[in-house]
Amino acid sequence: GAVVSQHPSRVICKSGTSVKIECRSLDFQATTMFWYRQFPKQSLMLMATSNEGSKATYEQGVEKDKFLINHASLTLSTLTVTSAHPEDSSFYICSASTSGTRSTDTQYFGPGTRLTVL
Amino acid sequence: AQSVSQHNHHVILSEAASLELGCNYSYGGTVNLFWYVQYPGQHLQLLLKYFSGDPLVKGIKGFEAEFIKSKFSFNLRKPSVQWSDTAEYFCALEAAGNKLTFGGGTRVLVKP
Repeated sequence: GAVVSQHPSRVICKSGTSVKIECRSLDFQATTMFWYRQFPKQSLMLMATSNEGSKATYEQGVEKDKFLINHASLTLSTLTVTSAHPEDSSFYICSASTSGTRSTDTQYFGPGTRLTVL
Repeated sequence: AQSVSQHNHHVILSEAASLELGCNYSYGGTVNLFWYVQYPGQHLQLLLKYFSGDPLVKGIKGFEAEFIKSKFSFNLRKPSVQWSDTAEYFCALEAAGNKLTFGGGTRVLVKP
């Protein structure tokens, strides 16, 4: 089946630094990738949708200058948390879709990245 | 805007017991509905989905869900759970743009 990987799985950084998280579709081409954030004991909240070769679409309340998303190829999307602060500590999950249509059954999730900002 | 509500945050039951997890959604138009499962330390996996047709949907691992449009509900059921069903279960809705809105999740603990 389709596999999505994320790197790193865990990262600890100092406040004020930037952190890059990679999301890769390993055996398929992902037209669309989604980035979610999951706070402890809460559900996944969609942050942004990225389509290969175009600018990401951010959900309301998500700062696009703080959470930079790049979807440079059909197998790779990156999320960069710039000038990270402790409140950015969270679990970040990506998903990849083979289609830009309503067939969400083709959305495959990565294992997530635990970010801790000290 | 759409929303998804899962009534139970935690469920504890014994093996062989029946399981039913509630999910209600709020959206005025056509929806696609999903149940995802997240086993400890693993990523989200699709259990089952409803797009149209038969409102009783069967998924993997013996799970099923029933879409009741009049109640805006999509409850998940399993007649007899196993210890390996210990996980967190998420109901999700797709209203437009291939974007998923998730419920708050229900943590299920099955005691052996």
